Amino acid sequence: KAGVTQTPRYLIKTRGQQVTLSCSPISGHRSVSWYQQTPGQGLQFLFEYFSETQRNKGNFPGRFSGRQFSNSRSEMNVSTLELGDSALYLCASSSQGSEQFFGPGTRLTVL
Amino acid sequence: GENVEQHPSTLSVQEGDSAVIKCTYSDSASNYFPWYKQELGKGPQLIIDIRSNVGEKKDQRIAVTLNKTAKHFSLHITETQPEDSAVYFCAASKVGGAGGYNKLIFGAGTRLAVHP
Repeated sequence: KAGVTQTPRYLIKTRGQQVTLSCSPISGHRSVSWYQQTPGQGLQFLFEYFSETQRNKGNFPGRFSGRQFSNSRSEMNVSTLELGDSALYLCASSSQGSEQFFGPGTRLTVL
Repeated sequence: GENVEQHPSTLSVQEGDSAVIKCTYSDSASNYFPWYKQELGKGPQLIIDIRSNVGEKKDQRIAVTLNKTAKHFSLHITETQPEDSAVYFCAASKVGGAGGYNKLIFGAGTRLAVHP
């Protein structure tokens, strides 16, 4: 089986712009979770989608949003980018209630 | 709130030695504890996990132990090799139930260096 894929792998944006990141889960996995990884805050949970519904949300501002499509692919969007949004954004997929498998991440740099 | 503490933050060992990383979690409702290995430029890779109904689990050179009473769990790597060098993360989750599902709370990570 192919692993979790994320696109793009690298992204450079400027403050105030918005960005959309994409994640394709492992075939058959219906849950997709998003995490932000920074040197200062570590790995932090953003949100989880299951069957196109947001099932859980972390403590991030409303500028961070996501969605999931009927084929389980997911996107996350960050609007009005700030310098502090520079991070590695990781997507993980799982079957319900089991192990989470991570993709390689999208490295976002905000200038 | 939910919190996972991980120690040490860095660990340096000689090839062939054992390495132990310890984590403590705050939410007594946590029931699933995975360990991830992250190499430079890659996403975290699941290496072993344990559920709250099990006290110990082993997979070749890697083992994990869980003490639910003390809310501690540990990763043990025996006969370390240079390719074990990476950052290791522990995590805790409440699988199933309201507010749980697949939300992982991560420790801060341990940078392990194995010297030949």
